[in-house]
Amino acid sequence: EAAVTQSPRNKVAVTGGKVTLSCNQTNNHNNMYWYRQDTGHGLRLIHYSYGAGSTEKGDIPDGYKASRPSQENFSLILELATPSQTSVYFCASGDAQSTEVFFGKGTRLTVV
Amino acid sequence: QQKVQQSPESLSVPEGGMASFNCTSSDRNFQYFWWYRQHSGEGPKALMSIFSDGDKKEGRFTAHLNKASLHVSLHIRDSQPSDSALYFCAARAGGYKVVFGSGTRLLVSP
Repeated sequence: EAAVTQSPRNKVAVTGGKVTLSCNQTNNHNNMYWYRQDTGHGLRLIHYSYGAGSTEKGDIPDGYKASRPSQENFSLILELATPSQTSVYFCASGDAQSTEVFFGKGTRLTVV
Repeated sequence: QQKVQQSPESLSVPEGGMASFNCTSSDRNFQYFWWYRQHSGEGPKALMSIFSDGDKKEGRFTAHLNKASLHVSLHIRDSQPSDSALYFCAARAGGYKVVFGSGTRLLVSP
């Protein structure tokens, strides 16, 4: 089964600080995704990538940057964290030929 | 913004009962549909896919797709307490973007 590892699993950040969430996948998937999960909103797409060096804006990209330095790694960056970015963040990966995506265990971010 | 609307928000069924979830998409470009399940403290995991009009059955789970009405549903028969979880529908058009619904929380009572 596809392995997607997120770090850290929990993070407390201060308002205005910089936060980097990391994701690593070991199955050579081309596509990677960052979602946030909030009650009542389900999973909302922040950024995605279809290969090393590429990043695309999802449905709610404001306040977030993404970086895909390699096939395996995809980071989500909050340059100036705000309390409204308190959420659970999920990274996922998928093969270009398949439509299934595989999720990590999530990162719980609290911005105080 | 492509959207997938899901209903109901929550559902409670007795053990052995039938649970049903619905999704309606807003974009006729959506071609591929999935149902995902998420247990507490975990990431979502794919349950089953449906790409063609009609029914698809896998054990106790049946998915139904009607592309003309942009409607997809999931039915779980003989529901078990272990089925209690958050269920999401997901849709993808021809590109790489995968969009999820808002989720339905299922509680199966013994």
